[in-house]
Amino acid sequence: AQKITQTQPGMFVQEKEAVTLDCTYDTSDQSYGLFWYKQPSSGEMIFLIYQGSYDEQNATEGRYSLNFQKARKSANLVISASQLGDSAMYFCAMREGGWTGNQFYFGTGTSLTVIP
Amino acid sequence: DGGITQSPKYLFRKEGQNVTLSCEQNLNHDAMYWYRQDPGQGLRLIYYSQIVNDFQKGDIAEGYSVSREKKESFPLTVTSAQKNPTAFYLCASMGQPDGTQYFGPGTRLTVL
Repeated sequence: AQKITQTQPGMFVQEKEAVTLDCTYDTSDQSYGLFWYKQPSSGEMIFLIYQGSYDEQNATEGRYSLNFQKARKSANLVISASQLGDSAMYFCAMREGGWTGNQFYFGTGTSLTVIP
Repeated sequence: DGGITQSPKYLFRKEGQNVTLSCEQNLNHDAMYWYRQDPGQGLRLIYYSQIVNDFQKGDIAEGYSVSREKKESFPLTVTSAQKNPTAFYLCASMGQPDGTQYFGPGTRLTVL
């Protein structure tokens, strides 16, 4: 079974609108971390946001927020007020095994295009 | 500035040659990783190291080798045994306490 599933290969959003990128995960660990990364055409993976499995509040970082629904095992990324520079690939990832865990899994990514 | 550097940015190799990709970090992180990314794909783990002089194979270690003699450095050698090495290679290190991985800018390897 896939550890991380991203079902949207490509998404389009109008500039200044909000967009949600879906991510579901599969783990039997109680302690795990969920991450979102942005990969522009240059290739570098840019860390966006982190959610710990024990965090009760949804994580937020500027225009990024993570909609964490533990029972559904989903960790969707919400980008508010989209900008042209948000056009990129977005990867959801999970770290299992607590804070020292080294098992890191990535999804296949979602390509986001922001339309002027 | 703290960060991860990879060199070279682009690398061309003839078939049958070994090549070494450099990865250096000054973030004082113990754990370091090498990933391979093929076009339109996610990341696949090649090797990782939790501490100096120790490393473990990832999902696709065949045809690759690594060393970890210093905390700051984790070079990856792509050997001639790797049948299809053309790909984008990303190095990462892991920070604490949340275990976030931070990535270098990547090396694009092309076999001629």
